[in-house]
Amino acid sequence: LAKTTQPISMDSYEGQEVNITCSHNNIATNDYITWYQQFPSQGPRFIIQGYKTKVTNEVASLFIPADRKSSTLSLPRVSLSDTAVYYCLVAGNQAGTALIFGKGTTLSVSS
Amino acid sequence: DSGVTQTPKHLITATGQRVTLRCSPRSGDLSVYWYQQSLDQGLQFLIQYYNGEERAKGNILERFSAQQFPDLHSELNLSSLELGDSALYFCASSVGTGNLGTEAFFGQGTRLTVV
Repeated sequence: LAKTTQPISMDSYEGQEVNITCSHNNIATNDYITWYQQFPSQGPRFIIQGYKTKVTNEVASLFIPADRKSSTLSLPRVSLSDTAVYYCLVAGNQAGTALIFGKGTTLSVSS
Repeated sequence: DSGVTQTPKHLITATGQRVTLRCSPRSGDLSVYWYQQSLDQGLQFLIQYYNGEERAKGNILERFSAQQFPDLHSELNLSSLELGDSALYFCASSVGTGNLGTEAFFGQGTRLTVV
Protein backbone atom coordinates (compact mmCIF):
# COMPACT_ATOMS: atom_id res chain seq x y z
CA LEU A 1 0.00 0.00 0.00
CA ALA A 2 1.53 3.30 -1.11
CA LYS A 3 2.27 5.70 1.74
CA THR A 4 1.04 9.26 1.26
CA THR A 5 2.41 12.50 2.70
CA GLN A 6 0.40 15.73 2.83
CA PRO A 7 0.86 19.04 4.64
CA ILE A 8 -0.85 18.97 8.02
CA SER A 9 -2.54 22.32 7.51
CA MET A 10 -3.02 25.16 5.06
CA ASP A 11 -4.58 28.60 5.32
CA SER A 12 -6.25 30.58 2.57
CA TYR A 13 -8.61 33.47 1.94
CA GLU A 14 -11.90 33.45 0.17
CA GLY A 15 -11.63 33.71 -3.60
CA GLN A 16 -8.11 32.30 -3.78
CA GLU A 17 -7.06 29.12 -5.55
CA VAL A 18 -5.75 26.45 -3.18
CA ASN A 19 -3.37 23.69 -4.22
CA ILE A 20 -2.79 20.76 -1.88
CA THR A 21 0.03 18.43 -2.85
CA CYS A 22 0.30 14.80 -1.86
CA SER A 23 3.49 12.75 -2.17
CA HIS A 24 3.26 9.05 -2.92
CA ASN A 25 6.74 8.00 -3.96
CA ASN A 26 6.09 4.26 -3.99
CA ILE A 27 2.88 4.35 -6.00
CA ALA A 28 2.35 1.15 -7.96
CA THR A 29 1.51 0.85 -11.64
CA ASN A 30 -2.12 -0.03 -11.00
CA ASP A 31 -2.76 2.47 -8.21
CA TYR A 32 -5.33 5.23 -8.55
CA ILE A 33 -5.26 8.51 -6.64
CA THR A 34 -8.42 9.63 -4.87
CA TRP A 35 -9.20 12.71 -2.80
CA TYR A 36 -11.86 13.00 -0.12
CA GLN A 37 -13.20 15.97 1.86
CA GLN A 38 -14.42 15.76 5.43
CA PHE A 39 -16.33 18.35 7.46
CA PRO A 40 -16.42 18.09 11.28
CA SER A 41 -18.64 15.28 12.54
CA GLN A 42 -19.52 14.18 9.01
CA GLY A 43 -18.36 11.27 6.92
CA PRO A 44 -15.81 11.92 4.17
CA ARG A 45 -17.07 12.81 0.72
CA PHE A 46 -15.44 11.81 -2.56
CA ILE A 47 -14.05 14.78 -4.48
CA ILE A 48 -12.05 13.51 -7.42
CA GLN A 49 -10.03 10.57 -8.69
CA GLY A 50 -7.36 10.13 -11.33
CA TYR A 51 -4.67 7.88 -12.71
CA LYS A 52 -2.47 10.25 -14.70
CA THR A 53 -2.34 13.74 -16.25
CA LYS A 54 -5.23 16.01 -15.35
CA VAL A 55 -8.77 15.39 -14.24
CA THR A 56 -11.35 18.11 -13.73
CA ASN A 57 -14.87 18.05 -12.37
CA GLU A 58 -17.30 20.66 -11.13
CA VAL A 59 -15.57 21.14 -7.79
CA ALA A 60 -11.84 20.52 -8.30
CA SER A 61 -8.96 19.59 -10.55
CA LEU A 62 -6.39 16.90 -9.99
CA PHE A 63 -2.94 17.21 -11.51
CA ILE A 64 -0.74 14.13 -11.73
CA PRO A 65 2.76 14.41 -13.25
CA ALA A 66 4.15 11.77 -15.56
CA ASP A 67 6.10 9.97 -12.81
CA ARG A 68 2.93 9.83 -10.65
CA LYS A 69 4.98 10.23 -7.48
CA SER A 70 2.84 13.15 -6.40
CA SER A 71 -0.52 14.69 -7.11
CA THR A 72 -2.04 18.12 -6.57
CA LEU A 73 -5.64 18.85 -5.70
CA SER A 74 -6.63 22.29 -6.93
CA LEU A 75 -9.64 24.07 -5.50
CA PRO A 76 -10.54 27.18 -7.51
CA ARG A 77 -11.81 30.28 -5.73
CA VAL A 78 -12.35 28.75 -2.31
CA SER A 79 -15.08 29.93 0.01
CA LEU A 80 -15.57 29.65 3.77
CA SER A 81 -17.51 26.45 3.21
CA ASP A 82 -14.41 24.77 1.79
CA THR A 83 -12.90 24.74 5.28
CA ALA A 84 -12.44 21.01 5.87
CA VAL A 85 -9.94 18.18 6.04
CA TYR A 86 -8.74 16.87 2.69
CA TYR A 87 -7.42 13.33 2.35
CA CYS A 88 -5.29 11.88 -0.43
CA LEU A 89 -5.62 8.12 -0.92
CA VAL A 90 -3.72 5.76 -3.14
CA ALA A 91 -5.23 2.37 -3.78
CA GLY A 92 -4.51 -0.38 -6.22
CA ASN A 93 -5.70 -3.82 -7.06
CA GLN A 94 -3.85 -5.75 -4.40
CA ALA A 95 -6.03 -8.33 -2.78
CA GLY A 96 -7.59 -7.00 0.38
CA THR A 97 -6.74 -3.39 -0.36
CA ALA A 98 -9.08 -1.11 1.51
CA LEU A 99 -9.59 2.64 1.71
CA ILE A 100 -6.85 3.74 4.08
CA PHE A 101 -6.93 7.37 5.19
CA GLY A 102 -3.89 9.26 6.42
CA LYS A 103 -4.05 12.33 8.65
CA GLY A 104 -5.12 14.62 5.83
CA THR A 105 -4.67 18.35 5.33
CA THR A 106 -6.76 20.75 7.36
CA LEU A 107 -7.67 23.68 5.12
CA SER A 108 -8.83 26.86 6.86
CA VAL A 109 -10.42 29.52 4.68
CA SER A 110 -10.84 33.01 6.10
CA SER A 111 -12.74 36.05 4.88
CA ASP B 1 -27.66 12.10 1.34
CA SER B 2 -25.04 9.46 0.54
CA GLY B 3 -27.53 6.60 0.57
CA VAL B 4 -25.68 4.88 3.42
CA THR B 5 -27.74 4.61 6.58
CA GLN B 6 -26.26 4.17 10.03
CA THR B 7 -28.20 3.55 13.19
CA PRO B 8 -28.34 4.70 15.86
CA LYS B 9 -27.02 8.23 15.37
CA HIS B 10 -26.09 8.57 19.03
CA LEU B 11 -25.40 6.00 21.70
CA ILE B 12 -24.48 6.46 25.33
CA THR B 13 -23.51 3.44 27.35
CA ALA B 14 -21.49 2.45 30.37
CA THR B 15 -18.07 0.87 30.56
CA GLY B 16 -18.11 -2.89 30.26
CA GLN B 17 -21.24 -2.94 28.15
CA ARG B 18 -21.75 -4.23 24.61
CA VAL B 19 -23.32 -2.34 21.73
CA THR B 20 -24.20 -3.05 18.13
CA LEU B 21 -23.92 -0.49 15.37
CA ARG B 22 -25.83 -1.04 12.17
CA CYS B 23 -25.09 -0.01 8.60
CA SER B 24 -27.22 -0.29 5.49
CA PRO B 25 -25.15 0.26 2.36
CA ARG B 26 -26.28 2.01 -0.79
CA SER B 27 -28.43 -0.11 -3.02
CA GLY B 28 -26.19 -2.26 -5.18
CA ASP B 29 -23.02 -1.74 -3.17
CA LEU B 30 -21.33 -4.97 -2.16
CA SER B 31 -18.53 -3.60 0.03
CA VAL B 32 -18.96 -2.24 3.52
CA TYR B 33 -16.17 -0.57 5.48
CA TRP B 34 -16.06 0.42 9.14
CA TYR B 35 -13.98 3.27 10.54
CA GLN B 36 -13.38 4.75 13.97
CA GLN B 37 -12.67 8.43 14.42
CA SER B 38 -11.79 9.68 17.88
CA LEU B 39 -11.76 13.37 18.80
CA ASP B 40 -9.13 15.16 16.73
CA GLN B 41 -7.94 11.89 15.30
CA GLY B 42 -7.89 10.60 11.78
CA LEU B 43 -10.06 7.91 10.32
CA GLN B 44 -8.87 4.54 11.56
CA PHE B 45 -9.84 1.72 9.25
CA LEU B 46 -11.30 -1.21 11.17
CA ILE B 47 -12.58 -3.81 8.73
CA GLN B 48 -14.05 -4.34 5.27
CA TYR B 49 -16.56 -6.87 4.01
CA TYR B 50 -17.31 -7.67 0.41
CA ASN B 51 -20.46 -9.61 -0.45
CA GLY B 52 -20.58 -11.24 2.95
CA GLU B 53 -16.92 -12.15 3.24
CA GLU B 54 -14.22 -10.37 5.22
CA ARG B 55 -12.01 -8.61 2.69
CA ALA B 56 -9.52 -6.57 4.69
CA LYS B 57 -8.73 -5.99 8.32
CA GLY B 58 -7.24 -2.94 9.94
CA ASN B 59 -6.49 -2.10 13.55
CA ILE B 60 -9.64 -3.67 14.91
CA LEU B 61 -9.50 -4.67 18.56
CA GLU B 62 -10.31 -8.23 19.59
CA ARG B 63 -13.24 -6.82 21.61
CA PHE B 64 -14.74 -5.62 18.32
CA SER B 65 -16.28 -7.80 15.67
CA ALA B 66 -18.33 -7.29 12.55
CA GLN B 67 -20.29 -9.18 9.98
CA GLN B 68 -22.13 -8.60 6.74
CA PHE B 69 -25.44 -10.32 6.28
CA PRO B 70 -26.96 -11.83 3.12
CA ASP B 71 -28.99 -8.68 2.56
CA LEU B 72 -25.62 -6.83 2.64
CA HIS B 73 -26.28 -4.77 5.73
CA SER B 74 -23.51 -4.90 8.29
CA GLU B 75 -23.20 -4.76 12.03
CA LEU B 76 -20.24 -3.74 14.15
CA ASN B 77 -20.27 -5.22 17.64
CA LEU B 78 -18.27 -3.53 20.37
CA SER B 79 -17.93 -5.33 23.68
CA SER B 80 -16.34 -4.75 27.09
CA LEU B 81 -16.47 -1.08 26.28
CA GLU B 82 -13.86 1.27 27.66
CA LEU B 83 -13.85 5.06 27.93
CA GLY B 84 -11.35 5.19 25.09
CA ASP B 85 -13.84 3.58 22.73
CA SER B 86 -15.83 6.81 22.70
CA ALA B 87 -15.69 7.96 19.09
CA LEU B 88 -17.54 8.49 15.86
CA TYR B 89 -17.96 5.24 13.99
CA PHE B 90 -18.44 5.55 10.26
CA CYS B 91 -19.66 3.02 7.78
CA ALA B 92 -18.97 3.36 4.08
CA SER B 93 -20.00 1.34 1.06
CA SER B 94 -18.79 0.93 -2.48
CA VAL B 95 -19.81 -1.07 -5.51
CA GLY B 96 -16.53 -2.89 -5.90
CA THR B 97 -13.92 -4.32 -3.61
CA GLY B 98 -12.29 -1.00 -2.80
CA ASN B 99 -9.43 -1.54 -5.17
CA LEU B 100 -8.40 0.79 -7.94
CA GLY B 101 -9.57 3.85 -6.03
CA THR B 102 -13.23 2.93 -5.91
CA GLU B 103 -15.47 5.82 -4.83
CA ALA B 104 -16.87 5.09 -1.40
CA PHE B 105 -19.95 6.64 0.15
CA PHE B 106 -20.00 7.34 3.85
CA GLY B 107 -22.85 7.36 6.30
CA GLN B 108 -23.39 10.12 8.85
CA GLY B 109 -21.82 8.07 11.59
CA THR B 110 -22.78 6.80 15.01
CA ARG B 111 -21.46 8.84 17.90
CA LEU B 112 -20.66 6.47 20.76
CA THR B 113 -20.10 7.84 24.22
CA VAL B 114 -18.89 5.48 26.92
CA VAL B 115 -19.36 6.78 30.45
